[in-house]
Amino acid sequence: KNQVEQSPQSLIILEGKNCTLQCNYTVSPFSNLRWYKQDTGRGPVSLTIMTFSENTKSNGRYTATLDADTKQSSLHITASQLSDSASYICVVSILTGTASKLTFGTGTRLQVTL
Amino acid sequence: DVKVTQSSRYLVKRTGEKVFLECVQDMDHENMFWYRQDPGLGLRLIYFSYDVKMKEKGDIPEGYSVSREKKERFSLILESASTNQTSMYLCASTYWTEGTQYFGPGTRLLVL
Repeated sequence: KNQVEQSPQSLIILEGKNCTLQCNYTVSPFSNLRWYKQDTGRGPVSLTIMTFSENTKSNGRYTATLDADTKQSSLHITASQLSDSASYICVVSILTGTASKLTFGTGTRLQVTL
Repeated sequence: DVKVTQSSRYLVKRTGEKVFLECVQDMDHENMFWYRQDPGLGLRLIYFSYDVKMKEKGDIPEGYSVSREKKERFSLILESASTNQTSMYLCASTYWTEGTQYFGPGTRLLVL
């Protein structure tokens, strides 16, 4: 069964600190991996999207890494801000014929405190 | 900026009622999707549409139907709402299926 596992489930950090969120997947054949940020009560917003040939991609203070061999990805947040408090969802895309199918992780709930 | 809007942010309905959730996107996207999101389960695909009047079942289509009469509008219909359909419903659109999906703000539906 294709799965996307995220860890930790939740995380609390102090403002200004860095953190790393993990995503392991078993989906195959892999097409691309995405990280989304979802604020409470809102729809997810795309942070990064990486194909199997990309090892890292940055979006401001967010840096995603991908190891397609070990099927692991991480999202690193630098110098966290209160506005980073949200759920972060890892999404893996597989190609099925002419369309792609997305498998969503359950997310990591991040809380940034003073 | 891509904008995806959903007709309601919050809805309260009674068991057995017919419920319509509407989604509109303004970027001429070919593909539109309906998901539901429940705690601890991640987003699950209900239906998607890759063109006007075209629809495909997702992973959990039971109890739902959809309509796409115009390119910019994708409707989700609960023919007879049940309490287990209480959930957050998210609409998304994308130009091509491998591209970034743009999500609406979501509709939180409570079925009593």
